[in-house]
Amino acid sequence: EADIYQTPRYLVIGTGKKITLECSQTMGHDKMYWYQQDPGMELHLIHYSYGVNSTEKGDLSSESTVSRIRTEHFPLTLESARPSHTSQYLCASSERDAGYTFGSGTRLTVV
Amino acid sequence: SQQGEEDPQALSIQEGENATMNCSYKTSINNLQWYRQNSGRGLVHLILIRSNEREKHSGRLRVTLDTSKKSSSLLITASRAADTASYFCATAASGGSYIPTFGRGTSLIVHP
Repeated sequence: EADIYQTPRYLVIGTGKKITLECSQTMGHDKMYWYQQDPGMELHLIHYSYGVNSTEKGDLSSESTVSRIRTEHFPLTLESARPSHTSQYLCASSERDAGYTFGSGTRLTVV
Repeated sequence: SQQGEEDPQALSIQEGENATMNCSYKTSINNLQWYRQNSGRGLVHLILIRSNEREKHSGRLRVTLDTSKKSSSLLITASRAADTASYFCATAASGGSYIPTFGRGTSLIVHP
């Protein structure tokens, strides 16, 4: 059903490690997004991209970075993970003024 | 903020009953979207309604939009246990980047 894929599905890592969360979509959408969501809470936009070589920071201050070298790929990197980064990370893509397609998410736990 | 706010926060009903969830927002919008999220998963897009539309249907779902009251409602008719999920509204501000902002959602439990 989903044409947008996130890996890994679950990740438990130690403090200080560098990690990359992968997101790929097969729909050819120009727009891609990363959201952070704590259990039972709203989604917070942390990064978005309108196309190749375009990246912007969202509303939520984040210590992560993103890149968009190919249309289909939008990875998110944490250079040094901390327990405060423990959360669920959701990737999405869309066409302009249309609904989003979300991936299944990566649940990150930093110990 | 433009963020939509869903009401109620939680709703518990029996299978076969209708479920109504509401969303209120603060400024002019280009469109409003409803999503479903099953526990621990990504969101699934249900319906997008534009600011010049008043009502849309999709299967057992009916969405209304009242721009004068800055509110929307999602009605699920003849609910099923499989409808158990969290439901979010997302509003895209007019004249903006079209990036929708999400509320905290309504948690719906449908008892068999």
